[in-house]
Amino acid sequence: DTGVSQNPRHKITKRGQNVTFRCDPISEHNRLYWYRQTLGQGPEFLTYFQNEAQLEKSRLLSDRFSAERPKGSFSTLEIQRTEQGDSAMYLCASSLPGQVYEQYFGPGTRLTVT
Amino acid sequence: GQQLNQSPQSMFIQEGEDVSMNCTSSSIFNTWLWYKQDPGEGPVLLIALYKAGELTSNGRLTAQFGITRKDSFLNISASIPSDVGIYFCAGQVYGGSQGNLIFGKGTKLSVKP
Repeated sequence: DTGVSQNPRHKITKRGQNVTFRCDPISEHNRLYWYRQTLGQGPEFLTYFQNEAQLEKSRLLSDRFSAERPKGSFSTLEIQRTEQGDSAMYLCASSLPGQVYEQYFGPGTRLTVT
Repeated sequence: GQQLNQSPQSMFIQEGEDVSMNCTSSSIFNTWLWYKQDPGEGPVLLIALYKAGELTSNGRLTAQFGITRKDSFLNISASIPSDVGIYFCAGQVYGGSQGNLIFGKGTKLSVKP
């Protein structure tokens, strides 16, 4: 399968713990995006990378959130000191250079903070 | 911020029926996309539209980029059970940053009991 992959698929954590998610984009895609989706809503943009450069961050991305893409391939999203309001599906997407709007999504990581 | 209003919020389909849904905004959009999402999965890209008035098909699906650039429409012809799911419109607003897609809240398609 050559689609976007995300790990883990599900994560349950206690409030206050740190969590990290990984995204592996489609191999020839140089742009990588993170979105958050809560129940009954569409995905909301968090941040995106072009190669290893983080080009934009949403106001939704509080200082407890950090994303990296050190070698321009896979990316990680870390949430520190999780809160119950962080419970959501975290989606990763990637796109080809020159086709930045055609974003292909992974299956997501479902985070539950207890 | 910009909002996309999807209509209807939900609808029931019977196999063989045609389905229509739309997405509107008060802002002008450069690009419109339609995605389908199944429970527990990520959205799957169905159709991308780039020009006002553009009409694009993907099998039984047809989508149009409204001429005002503030709306888009998706039609599904001769629906089948696997069409059930949530359909999202998404777009890149004129003057907005590249890569930041704005999504609607979705139209949920279910099978008629």
